[in-house]
Amino acid sequence: DTAVSQTPKYLVTQMGNDKSIKCEQNLGHDTMYWYKQDSKKFLKIMFSYNNKELIINETVPNRFSPKSPDKAHLNLHINSLELGDSAVYFCASSLGGHQLGGEFQETQYFGPGTRLLVL
Amino acid sequence: AQTVTQSQPEMSVQEAETVTLSCTYDTSENNYYLFWYKQPPSRQMILVIRQEAYKQQNATENRFSVNFQKAAKSFSLKISDSQLGDTAMYFCAFMKPFAGNQFYFGTGTSLTVIP
Repeated sequence: DTAVSQTPKYLVTQMGNDKSIKCEQNLGHDTMYWYKQDSKKFLKIMFSYNNKELIINETVPNRFSPKSPDKAHLNLHINSLELGDSAVYFCASSLGGHQLGGEFQETQYFGPGTRLLVL
Repeated sequence: AQTVTQSQPEMSVQEAETVTLSCTYDTSENNYYLFWYKQPPSRQMILVIRQEAYKQQNATENRFSVNFQKAAKSFSLKISDSQLGDTAMYFCAFMKPFAGNQFYFGTGTSLTVIP
């Protein structure tokens, strides 16, 4: 059973196109995230959603729009793709600060990543 | 803003030996969480170990342990009896709870285990 899944795993597309990456988690978590990992392996948060509401929106171009139809899904839509968008995009989820047995469960569980290449 | 620094871009260790990866962070918070994640060539991000700042005892997970020095804002990872499967990028991460649970990652250390 995959805990956090992303589709597609690989995405090759032309500049100017619009594309979406889907993410689903079956862990019952309340919070989901999108990260971008650049060619130097640096991981940076893009968005965070808690119970379908946006709670983190880092400095990301407006061409990137997250959509959360329910708390198990957080999709990332990218308009007018540019060469600099080429990266690996990771989805993650966490319980979101709930106390469980007296301890906070803040660990984020990551999906397998989507490698986006814009030509 | 929180920053996380991993000063060793690359390291190598002989199989069965012990290696320590360093991580320092900068924060004015008193309550926070620290993590080490591993990213093998498969690109999957895998949790290695976590530490709550309010706990003085260092976390351990089998061959993995941390040396958490809160005053020095240091959080190093020790891998004992290194195995070939430990070859990966290792990321240190800082998280302040109730601030969107945002993770701040270091730039990573590429570890190679030599047979």
